[in-house]
Amino acid sequence: GDSVTQMEGPVTLSEEAFLTINCTYTATGYPSLFWYVQYPGEGLQLLLKATKADDKGSNKGFEATYRKETTSFHLEKGSVQVSDSAVYFCAPLERDTGRRALTFGSGTRLQVQP
Amino acid sequence: DAGVTQSPTHLIKTRGQQVTLRCSPISGHKSVSWYQQVLGQGPQFIFQYYEKEERGRGNFPDRFSARQFPNYSSELNVNALLLGDSALYLCASWGGPASDTQYFGPGTRLTVL
Repeated sequence: GDSVTQMEGPVTLSEEAFLTINCTYTATGYPSLFWYVQYPGEGLQLLLKATKADDKGSNKGFEATYRKETTSFHLEKGSVQVSDSAVYFCAPLERDTGRRALTFGSGTRLQVQP
Repeated sequence: DAGVTQSPTHLIKTRGQQVTLRCSPISGHKSVSWYQQVLGQGPQFIFQYYEKEERGRGNFPDRFSARQFPNYSSELNVNALLLGDSALYLCASWGGPASDTQYFGPGTRLTVL
């Protein structure tokens, strides 16, 4: 089945620093790729997605590019804010079978300090 | 428009009991998926229903079951609760085979004592 490897957290940055959270995946077939964010005590919010190779997903200053050749989908943001503190999950969506199941890694906790 | 709603918000049960969790998808969405998120881990896929039929099942024991109703709402049932079933149970709504995006509800926090 699919699997995801994310960089270990927590990642601690100062406000306005550049953010990169690495994500690599293994998948049978050609998945869509997603980043979700989870704030304390809440469910998952969709952050961005990409559905085919070389697509760039973007939202709220975050970006990630679907790299099929390296099976990666790294998340970046040019200038983080304290409000970005949360846990970030990379997730491929298998779509070659009848089910559409997201596979999550363990997540990366981001802490942004003022 | 209302997003995905789940009830109850929190639940405390004891070992061996049974629990039912409820989910209402986004209006117009016909598919619901259930995920279990143990503290400190990522969500794990449990079930997916589309048009009231089970379309996928994750690696969970038969103590876990689910169903989808004609109005596309769904229930997740867990029998013979174990301490290890303590988790946040997330419901995700999506529009169907032509759509890739799943939208999550706030979850139900289940504590088994």
